[in-house]
Amino acid sequence: NAGVTQTPKFQVLKTGQSMTLQCAQDMNHEYMSWYRQDPGMGLRLIHYSVGAGITDQGEVPNGYNVSRSTTEDFPLRLLSAAPSQTSVYFCASRPSGGGGGEQFFGPGTRLTVL
Amino acid sequence: AQTVTQSQPEMSVQEAETVTLSCTYDTSESDYYLFWYKQPPSRQMILVIRQEAYKQQNATENRFSVNFQKAAKSFSLKISDSQLGDAAMYFCAYRPYSGAGSYQLTFGKGTKLSVIP
Repeated sequence: NAGVTQTPKFQVLKTGQSMTLQCAQDMNHEYMSWYRQDPGMGLRLIHYSVGAGITDQGEVPNGYNVSRSTTEDFPLRLLSAAPSQTSVYFCASRPSGGGGGEQFFGPGTRLTVL
Repeated sequence: AQTVTQSQPEMSVQEAETVTLSCTYDTSESDYYLFWYKQPPSRQMILVIRQEAYKQQNATENRFSVNFQKAAKSFSLKISDSQLGDAAMYFCAYRPYSGAGSYQLTFGKGTKLSVIP
């Protein structure tokens, strides 16, 4: 199993550009999430999905869009990049339901918006 | 809303010594999970230890153990026999056992641990 994979690992954008951060998992997990990590802020939830076709907003959703057409993939779209979106982005997944199912994280994408 | 507070932005420990990282949280739930994650310079988030709120026994994983005080809403991490490889950012995290909030983790702001040779 590859676990949770993210591409790219690094990206530099200019203000106003759009891009998609890719996330895939091969563990058949229902729950997938996107977090951003900023210095001194910990990780904050952007969007999440509880299954194919079902997504919802987290704590900091503005400027981002998601969709979930398959169980495996959960891309994050930046519609018009802004310097405030400079951050490290993590995708995560875990099995559905209650219980102590561990959250598995991808390796992260470091995004810089100039 | 749930909140997680780590009051120590940075800490240091001598190699082979013991260090304790603090975490407090606020929730109205009775069933939940608490986690400690380690983030080394590689950026990868690594689960260190997990505690179920309904278990009174403190979780232990090799050199890592927790002191879980449910009434005080406190969840500290003790690292024994500290090693150079323990140097990292440590995050405390919370999620409810089930229900609307169980699909997300709420993180503290982290504690940067340095290990002095």
